[in-house]
Amino acid sequence: SQQGEEDPQALSIQEGENATMNCSYKTSINNLQWYRQNSGRGLVHLILIRSNEREKHSGRLRVTLDTSKKSSSLLITASRAADTASYFCATVQGAQKLVFGQGTRLTINP
Amino acid sequence: EPEVTQTPSHQVTQMGQEVILRCVPISNHLYFYWYRQILGQKVEFLVSFYNNEISEKSEIFDDQFSVERPDGSNFTLKIRSTKLEDSAMYFCASGVNGVPETQYFGPGTRLLVL
Repeated sequence: SQQGEEDPQALSIQEGENATMNCSYKTSINNLQWYRQNSGRGLVHLILIRSNEREKHSGRLRVTLDTSKKSSSLLITASRAADTASYFCATVQGAQKLVFGQGTRLTINP
Repeated sequence: EPEVTQTPSHQVTQMGQEVILRCVPISNHLYFYWYRQILGQKVEFLVSFYNNEISEKSEIFDDQFSVERPDGSNFTLKIRSTKLEDSAMYFCASGVNGVPETQYFGPGTRLLVL
C-alpha cells in the first residue's frame, strides 16, 4: 500500500477559482505536510499540520486533516497563474524519512 | 534566506559510468538527505546522514550508491555504475535537528543515463 495518495492526479481551473486537492494515507501519523514543486524544480514546503490539529491556514492555503479517515485536503483560494505546480502531501515513516504521494498537477488558466 | 544548492543542475552520462552529485546544505544544518524522483513518479527517500554516517536508507540505496561529506560544506551522492533506471531527479535536503518536517530541499539534479 502507498502512503500519501493524492487526488485528483491533475486539476485544471480558471484563475480566481479555488483549488482543492486531497491526500489519503495508510498508517498513523504525527503530522502531515504539503509541498509544492514547480515544473523541473525542487520541493518547497508549504504547510505542516499536526495530528492533533483539524485545520490550519497560511495565507491563501487551508489544510484540513481527518485522522479518523486518514485523509487531508489542501485548499488554495483565489488561485493565481503562479500557483500552477504539482502539489504533494508527505508523511513521516521511521525516524526521518519523508514519504511522498504521487502528487496533483494543478494548472491555473488565465 | 539560506538555501540548499545542488550541482550540476543536469547531468548526462553513459550506462556503467560513475556519477557524483553534489549538494551544499544550509550551513548550520547537521542532518542530510537524498531523495529521487523518477519522471512522472513520486519523490522517494534514498538515505539520511548524520554525524558522518548513514542513519537510515531505503531499499533503493544499494551497494551502487554511497554518500559522503568530504569537507565541512559538501554532501555528495555517488552512483558507482549507473543504470538506465537511475535516470531521475535527485534532491538533496538538509535539516537542523533531524526532525523530518524541518527538511529543506535543494533544486535537484536531473540525471539522464543513456
